[in-house]
Amino acid sequence: SQTIHQWPATLVQPVGSPLSLECTVEGTSNPNLYWYRQAAGRGLQLLFYSVGIGQISSEVPQNLSASRPQDRQFILSSKKLLLSDSGFYLCAWSGQTRSGELFFGEGSRLTVL
Amino acid sequence: AQSVTQLGSHVSVSEGALVLLRCNYSSSVPPYLFWYVQYPNQGLQLLLKYTTGATLVKGINGFEAEFKKSETSFHLTKPSAHMSDAAEYFCAVTRSGAGSYQLTFGKGTKLSVIP
Repeated sequence: SQTIHQWPATLVQPVGSPLSLECTVEGTSNPNLYWYRQAAGRGLQLLFYSVGIGQISSEVPQNLSASRPQDRQFILSSKKLLLSDSGFYLCAWSGQTRSGELFFGEGSRLTVL
Repeated sequence: AQSVTQLGSHVSVSEGALVLLRCNYSSSVPPYLFWYVQYPNQGLQLLLKYTTGATLVKGINGFEAEFKKSETSFHLTKPSAHMSDAAEYFCAVTRSGAGSYQLTFGKGTKLSVIP
């Protein structure tokens, strides 16, 4: 069966420090991969998605970047965190189906101080 | 373009009462529709989905939803609320993007269950 893991689960970082959140999927190949952010009262915001290795699409301009170095690995990064980067980050994957059904990781809580 | 509207950011029900969470969508093509549930500090979990076929869809934990094309609605119901149903619920519709099919989410409805 397919599983998705992301880490770390919780992170407290000072403003201006770098960030790396990692997500891996097991039990499937060539998944579509996604990073979402939940900020208080703002619902789910799609940040990045990837349909293959090295292929990254950004939905909104921001202080973050994403990379996909391997088929089932997706990384969210920042060189210098801002206070506004605080939130709950969710990684998700979907298969090559028309429904677009998403399977989510456990989430990473980032607090920037 | 596809969009989702969830009526009511917060809904409170008494334990044992009917749960009704409303979702309306807009889609230029026959939609695929989803309900997800999120418990505090956890990821989203699929409750149920409509792709094709029967318009009344049953999901986990006693929830069901009915696809009504004429009303462009996909409301989520449960006959009797349980304390463990307290969570945030998201409705979503599929949209096509560059090279993939993606979900557009509503803003979510937080369900509180009063003992």
